[in-house]
Amino acid sequence: GAVVSQHPSRVICKSGTSVKIECRSLDFQATTMFWYRQFPKQSLMLMATSNEGSKATYEQGVEKDKFLINHASLTLSTLTVTSAHPEDSSFYICSASSGDGDEQYFGPGTRLTVT
Amino acid sequence: QKEVEQNSGPLSVPEGAIASLNCTYSDRGSQSFFWYRQYSGKSPELIMSIYSNGDKEDGRFTAQLNKASQYVSLLIRDSQPSDSATYLCAVTGGFKTIFGAGTRLFVKA
Repeated sequence: GAVVSQHPSRVICKSGTSVKIECRSLDFQATTMFWYRQFPKQSLMLMATSNEGSKATYEQGVEKDKFLINHASLTLSTLTVTSAHPEDSSFYICSASSGDGDEQYFGPGTRLTVT
Repeated sequence: QKEVEQNSGPLSVPEGAIASLNCTYSDRGSQSFFWYRQYSGKSPELIMSIYSNGDKEDGRFTAQLNKASQYVSLLIRDSQPSDSATYLCAVTGGFKTIFGAGTRLFVKA
């Protein structure tokens, strides 16, 4: 149980384009989803928290107009990196929580490379 | 500023030994405590959760919580090379979960 999928697992895009990453909870309803970014050999950095049907809450320093988050259903959240630049290249990981407890279950991550 | 502190390591132990990973947290109101394992290049995987003082055992893993000392630890018995990973401590208080930066564990064969 508690399986979270992410798609795509790896993406390469050109500078200036937008990339959408999907996060799905496969066997439970995720009342809350989280988006993290992790640079090589660094710790997880929380970007934003989203609850189904409401606007995402962004962490300080994260541009909400650049990182668009949509949590339209209890099983799907998307992160769109708009006008991507090479410095946005990173490992993006989503996690989901059912709300029964505080456990977060992580997706496998998306490795984004912006050329 | 709520904080979760971990020694970055690397912690190196021989195969078959007990690995002891420690974590301290600053928010006395924290209610839930978790250990995640993250292999290089992969996402974190939940391995233990603990909510009350004392020990909780699951296979080779034991989580220990001491709320008075604001301290949570993870013991791995009979360590295997496959346990080599970064272990993240996570603490939830209110509606926020704070992750530590992780301790790198290396189990030598």
